[in-house]
Amino acid sequence: SQQGEEDPQALSIQEGENATMNCSYKTSINNLQWYRQNSGRGLVHLILIRSNEREKHSGRLRVTLDTSKKSSSLLITASRAADTASYFCATDTMKYGNKLVFGAGTILRVKS
Amino acid sequence: AAGVIQSPRHLIKEKRETATLKCYPIPRHDTVYWYQQGPGQDPQFLISFYEKMQSDKGSIPDRFSAQQFSDYHSELNMSSLELGDSALYFCASSNRLAAYNEQFFGPGTRLTVL
Repeated sequence: SQQGEEDPQALSIQEGENATMNCSYKTSINNLQWYRQNSGRGLVHLILIRSNEREKHSGRLRVTLDTSKKSSSLLITASRAADTASYFCATDTMKYGNKLVFGAGTILRVKS
Repeated sequence: AAGVIQSPRHLIKEKRETATLKCYPIPRHDTVYWYQQGPGQDPQFLISFYEKMQSDKGSIPDRFSAQQFSDYHSELNMSSLELGDSALYFCASSNRLAAYNEQFFGPGTRLTVL
């Protein structure tokens, strides 16, 4: 990966449990975005957090950003079998129209 | 809500053939990005366009070219295809006037080179 590591690489949990995925990046960023990808399909935009934000919520999703450690975490609460997917973080370094640099992704499996 | 449209969804080609992938961005989005995702890999940026001009270039082979047209749709042209070009090709779009660089992805084109 160009960006860094995602931790863990794979995560298996029971339905109803919380899932936490971490992402680290290498350069200063403008925004960090999280995407979900179901097996071999499209990337679904989940949430964007700006570099001057520390935490953001959207439904069952909670994202934190620590720019001093160059890391972010995605928490999915009360997981469902439908949350089974790969999760990627992606960063951009310019304010407008710049490329996204992706992390390696975490494969999440939620067992029912 | 309208999403990014990509065509075709699946494409099978022989080595050394050419392929053209098309992308139709979300209405009122002026920036288009192309990404390539190999099996088990994360997406890698290829190239982007803003207002029909190339705005950034990543790890795109010289055998590939792309352009954005007056209606903002974009095409990725791939020539002399190699086995290693087999991948998912994503197009994403954004609106440069929007506050943040949220990029919305299409469903992808799965290219298989035999």
